[in-house]
Amino acid sequence: QSALTQPASVSGSPGQSITISCTGTSSDVGGYNYVSWYQQHPGKAPKLMIYDVSNRPSGVSNRFSGSKSGNTASLTISGLQAEDEADYYCSSYTTMSTWLFGGGTKLTVL
Amino acid sequence: QVQLQESGPGLVKPSETLSLTCTVSGGSVRSGSNYWSWIRQPPGKGLEWIGYSYYSGSTNYNPSLKSRVTISLDTSKNQFSLKLSSVTAADTAVYYCARLYCSRTSCYIDYWGQGILVTVSS
Repeated sequence: QSALTQPASVSGSPGQSITISCTGTSSDVGGYNYVSWYQQHPGKAPKLMIYDVSNRPSGVSNRFSGSKSGNTASLTISGLQAEDEADYYCSSYTTMSTWLFGGGTKLTVL
Repeated sequence: QVQLQESGPGLVKPSETLSLTCTVSGGSVRSGSNYWSWIRQPPGKGLEWIGYSYYSGSTNYNPSLKSRVTISLDTSKNQFSLKLSSVTAADTAVYYCARLYCSRTSCYIDYWGQGILVTVSS
């Protein structure tokens, strides 16, 4: 199983919007709506930001949104804030009843 | 609020077996919607799903690790454990225990432990 494909890095200025892509195959991202996104600050455990493609857990800012088209899922962060600077990982269920993570994307707030 | 806490040795010798335990509070490992999982992260690298165990005794593992991994539940202690055999330096990582919640229409990892660094070195 190969990791889902994410850009290594993205950046944006405060107040701007950015989008992080997560590309898989029809055996994972494209085949199920069980795509999640996690935020990880240095030295901390990942935090669930989006689940089931586009749902936000209680307490997560509505500046975070998720979507999916075909084999590619996306995380959009609007109104970028300094505290959003972190690593972001996507995850998907697969046809083998296993889970795959993306390689991670480092978000820099300029 | 579910809380998870990893415990175990921080240093393991090459070729030996890595053993970690995760203690669950605020929830039961016998809950039918929960799959008790292990995930690891090598220093400076991304996340890798290791596998999970379900209260029924069923398990599922990452194919790349399947021959070396065992995940089991101890319902009497509300804990679950990870054993990874024949370790090498490539197994050096922060190991996280986590809860995978799955219903008929929803499935995601929502709670994570703080993580424990395990170094493989002689």
